[in-house]
Amino acid sequence: GAVVSQHPSRVICKSGTSVKIECRSLDFQATTMFWYRQFPKQSLMLMATSNEGSKATYEQGVEKDKFLINHASLTLSTLTVTSAHPEDSSFYICSARVLRPYTEAFFGQGTRLTVV
Amino acid sequence: QKEVEQDPGPLSVPEGAIVSLNCTYSNSAFQYFMWYRQYSRKGPELLMYTYSSGNKEDGRFTAQVDKSSKYISLFIRDSQPSDSATYLCAMRANTGNQFYFGTGTSLTVIP
Repeated sequence: GAVVSQHPSRVICKSGTSVKIECRSLDFQATTMFWYRQFPKQSLMLMATSNEGSKATYEQGVEKDKFLINHASLTLSTLTVTSAHPEDSSFYICSARVLRPYTEAFFGQGTRLTVV
Repeated sequence: QKEVEQDPGPLSVPEGAIVSLNCTYSNSAFQYFMWYRQYSRKGPELLMYTYSSGNKEDGRFTAQVDKSSKYISLFIRDSQPSDSATYLCAMRANTGNQFYFGTGTSLTVIP
C-alpha cells in the first residue's frame, strides 16, 4: 500500500492563532486529497476535496475562509485552521488517492488539534 | 436514509472468536468497497479492498460483498486482543472521488 504522512500528530494552540497541518504522499503522486474531521466515537466527516493545482471543493457547512486548503503539488496538501477557537478542537485526518495503481484512499496518521 | 449504515457496537468478544462486521448501503452505483481499521487516536489503516461482488481473503481477514443485497461483511478469524479497534467500512462509485464511510464499529477482543 501507499504511505501518507501527516504532521504534526498533536498540536496545542491559543485561541485566535492559526495552525497549519501538512499531508504528504510519500511514495506516490496523489491526484486527489481529502480532509476529514473526526469527533470522538464518530465517523469521518469530509470537509473538503482538493485536486492538485485547483481550488478545493468544500462540503456544505465548512467555512472555506476558516479552513484554508492548499494542494500545491502532487505530494503535498496543507490545511490551515485560521483564527482557531476551542470549538475547532478535533481530530483532523487527511487521505490521498491516486487513480493508478490504486483506487482506494490511504490515510495519514491524523492530527489532534487542541485550541485553548 | 444514510448512504452507508454500520452498527456502532460496541462489540466485545473473547480471544479466538470469529468476528463478523457488517455494513449496508443504499446506492447501487457503489463498486469499490473497503474496510479500514482505526486504533484510538490514529488515522484509519486500509485492511481490505474489494471491487464489485465476491470474497477476498487475506490472512485472518475475509471481506465479502453481496451487491444484490447491498451488504458487505468483514470476518476476522481467531481474533486477537491486538484486533481491538474501530472498524470502518467505506465505499465509492466507479466515477467521482467521494468515499462514503460507515460510522465505524468498536471491537474489543478480551484475552
